Amino acid sequence: QKEVEQNSGPLSVPEGAIASLNCTYSDRGSQSFFWYRQYSGKSPELIMFIYSNGDKEDGRFTAQLNKASQYVSLLIRDSQPSDSATYLCAVNLDQTGANNLFFGTGTRLTVIP
Amino acid sequence: SAVISQKPSRDICQRGTSLTIQCQVDSQVTMMFWYRQQPGQSLTLIATANQGSEATYESGFVIDKFPISRPNLTFSTLTVSNMSPEDSSIYLCSVARFTEAFFGQGTRLTVV
Repeated sequence: QKEVEQNSGPLSVPEGAIASLNCTYSDRGSQSFFWYRQYSGKSPELIMFIYSNGDKEDGRFTAQLNKASQYVSLLIRDSQPSDSATYLCAVNLDQTGANNLFFGTGTRLTVIP
Repeated sequence: SAVISQKPSRDICQRGTSLTIQCQVDSQVTMMFWYRQQPGQSLTLIATANQGSEATYESGFVIDKFPISRPNLTFSTLTVSNMSPEDSSIYLCSVARFTEAFFGQGTRLTVV
């Protein structure tokens, strides 16, 4: 059974603050982890992926993975109103790609100007 | 990146009828994926479509309800059969390119 869980939110942060989004997964065989952003009425778009334990930084975004705890998170620094969206965590058993993704329910983030 | 054209973008259908959704990719891909996103929910994988073989369905989805075709490496269709209001959802096709999954614009289906 592949389960990916996120707090549905909504999560509200003031502009300029750090937004912290969390995700847990049930399948220990999961190898690759993705964060997608979805604006209302739009398709998901990739923010970051991470395969190895630890932190991965890309601009204002940092993904953190802890396979022992089956936990992955996304930090958004200096949050902007344009970051307001639903953030989807996705996992895959295939280490090498983005096939057959299993998505969490998403966390709705609102950045308050 | 990958450019995916999906149509129709939306439709309103009578219960008991069927709708076929088309997905065209700008280049050849081995696998195409079909997802469903119910109102206010996340994406759920329906099936994986491979060219030259039957689609692989996830738990809770069956071929009789969601038949899929994959006639070549750039095209796939998903049919939602014998529709009921519970099928009202957004349906998305997707392809994977290395570490990124790309999605079509989605088909917003309303069954009345």
